Amino acid sequence: EDQVTQSPEALRLQEGESSSLNCSYTVSGLRGLFWYRQDPGKGPEFLFTLYSAGEEKEKERLKATLTKKESFLHITAPKPEDSATYLCGSGGSNYKLTFGKGTLLTVNP
Amino acid sequence: NAGVTQTPKFQVLKTGQSMTLQCAQDMNHNSMYWYRQDPGMGLRLIYYSASEGTTDKGEVPNGYNVSRLNKREFSLRLESAAPSQTSVYFCASSEDRVDTNYGYTFGSGTRLTVV
Repeated sequence: EDQVTQSPEALRLQEGESSSLNCSYTVSGLRGLFWYRQDPGKGPEFLFTLYSAGEEKEKERLKATLTKKESFLHITAPKPEDSATYLCGSGGSNYKLTFGKGTLLTVNP
Repeated sequence: NAGVTQTPKFQVLKTGQSMTLQCAQDMNHNSMYWYRQDPGMGLRLIYYSASEGTTDKGEVPNGYNVSRLNKREFSLRLESAAPSQTSVYFCASSEDRVDTNYGYTFGSGTRLTVV
């Protein structure tokens, strides 16, 4: 059974304080590791897809990386508008996405 | 704007009442999904439809039924609502069973309270 575990559950940062979110996955036949952002009261919004170990993708202050067992979402010099819940999902050979429970990020000014 | 549209956005039901949550996508996607999201539980798959005319159970199907009305529309029905079904419901779609570019495209959710 595919499993995705995200840590920490919640993270509070000061503006400009860089950090990383972790996503550990167990999936057979990985077809993609997905990162989403979810704002309160809204649906998840796509950020990145990673396909193979060693791959990295960047978007503004966010960089996602992938190993054979984990993915990290690095946040460099975050701003208050980066506050959101970040979801990780793995797509496996069963052709479905399995999601972690998310990390609630709060960036204080 | 292209995307996934869910109706209603909010709903309060009494225990035992029935209702149908509507979902429509205009991206010509083949696959559609219903998830529920609860605090501390993450997104859990209720039902999915890999293509028009097919539906399959997900992780938490009990108490729900679905209909893939056509390629665009996928509805979720609660026949006899229970307080345990209080949740936020998300509909999603993807070009294929796993869209390896974007995963899923999500709607904005239906917030359901059963009293």
